[in-house]
Amino acid sequence: EAAVTQSPRNKVAVTGGKVTLSCNQTNNHNNMYWYRQDTGHGLRLIHYSYGAGSTEKGDIPDGYKASRPSQENFSLILELATPSQTSVYFCASGDARLYYAEQFFGPGTRLTVL
Amino acid sequence: GDSVTQTKGPVTLSEGTSLTVNCSYETKQYPTLFWYVQYPGEGPQLLFKVPKANEKGSNRGFEATYDKGTTSFHLQKASVQESDSAVYYCVLGGRGSALGRLHFGAGTQLIVIP
Repeated sequence: EAAVTQSPRNKVAVTGGKVTLSCNQTNNHNNMYWYRQDTGHGLRLIHYSYGAGSTEKGDIPDGYKASRPSQENFSLILELATPSQTSVYFCASGDARLYYAEQFFGPGTRLTVL
Repeated sequence: GDSVTQTKGPVTLSEGTSLTVNCSYETKQYPTLFWYVQYPGEGPQLLFKVPKANEKGSNRGFEATYDKGTTSFHLQKASVQESDSAVYYCVLGGRGSALGRLHFGAGTQLIVIP
């Protein structure tokens, strides 16, 4: 079974601190995605990647950076965390070569910024 | 741009009653439509997908028809169970896109009372 894992599962950070959320996938998918989930908004795309070394901005990239050092790993970085970034973050992978590709999601990271 | 609008939750039903979650979409392309389901503490997972207009998708007793004429993709189930309690997302995906982009609705929480 293909898998997407995230770490940590829960994180409490202080305002102004640096936070790194990590994601690993064993699906061998080229594409990876970072979303945040907030009540009333569904899932919103922050950053995505087509493969190792690439990162692209999604719909809400402000305040976030991303890093894709390998096919399997994709990180989301908050250089200066703010309380507005308190949310649940999901990583996903997908094979966009498929005509109607679905995405496979990790279990999420709950981030609280105090 | 692409967008999805779905029934605002929560929707509370008694076990054995029928479910309809309305979903409407806007796009200028020819999308694949998905329903994802999310259980507490987990990431969204695919319920089913329909890549072609006028076709029906189904899984676990849930079904939806991709209606291009009315730009709708309503989720239905004849008899819900307590285990169906979850958040349901109507999702629009672009076909043939290198990004494999998905557009999520805001989600509909279903609560089934035994």
